[in-house]
Amino acid sequence: DAKTTQPPSMDCAEGRAANLPCNHSTISGNEYVYWYRQIHSQGPQYIIHGLKNNETNEMASLIITEDRKSSTLILPHATLRDTAVYYCIVFGTSYGKLTFGQGTILTVHP
Amino acid sequence: NAGVTQTPKFQVLKTGQSMTLQCAQDMNHEYMSWYRQDPGMGLRLIHYSVGAGITDQGEVPNGYNVSRSTTEDFPLRLLSAAPSQTSVYFCASSYVSTGAGDTQYFGPGTRLTVL
Repeated sequence: DAKTTQPPSMDCAEGRAANLPCNHSTISGNEYVYWYRQIHSQGPQYIIHGLKNNETNEMASLIITEDRKSSTLILPHATLRDTAVYYCIVFGTSYGKLTFGQGTILTVHP
Repeated sequence: NAGVTQTPKFQVLKTGQSMTLQCAQDMNHEYMSWYRQDPGMGLRLIHYSVGAGITDQGEVPNGYNVSRSTTEDFPLRLLSAAPSQTSVYFCASSYVSTGAGDTQYFGPGTRLTVL
């Protein structure tokens, strides 16, 4: 599975959109981009995933570039409860074997 | 559904003691796995199972044993605990699908301290 690169930390004001970038330049054609988050030592929580089309659900939007080498997770209206570590994971054929990097620590401030 | 449950929530062991961390899921997921998370680090895969009777090693399997006799349960055994095994342990489960894999559901974690 391809490796990912994320900024170590980001800040966001409450109510504003949080845009979390992820680089995955070695992604292959059958690999998906997954996003999970971990709130203060709880178990990771699934957010969203996509292959090449942009995706949206009740939690977030995922924008994948046309060449699929990078993506952006968008939390449209960040709240204090969105403060967490966000993990971008590229996942393909290794059944269930998620590889977690260091992630991005997102701090939402009032 | 209770989802993925883990017991105990906290545990303190002495070096050399053995114990079993319990994990259960009620979603009829074929795939289950164990991760450990050390302070300030991402999760690392210990062992995983794609179905009852089938287990395999992950990235950091040394010092841990697993078995999968039922779909619902996937216990993790520490045979002789060492201080290096002080960590937070997460169990996860998902359906198994070809290609993309499936959303994994994580338990709340077991916080283990080995003195």
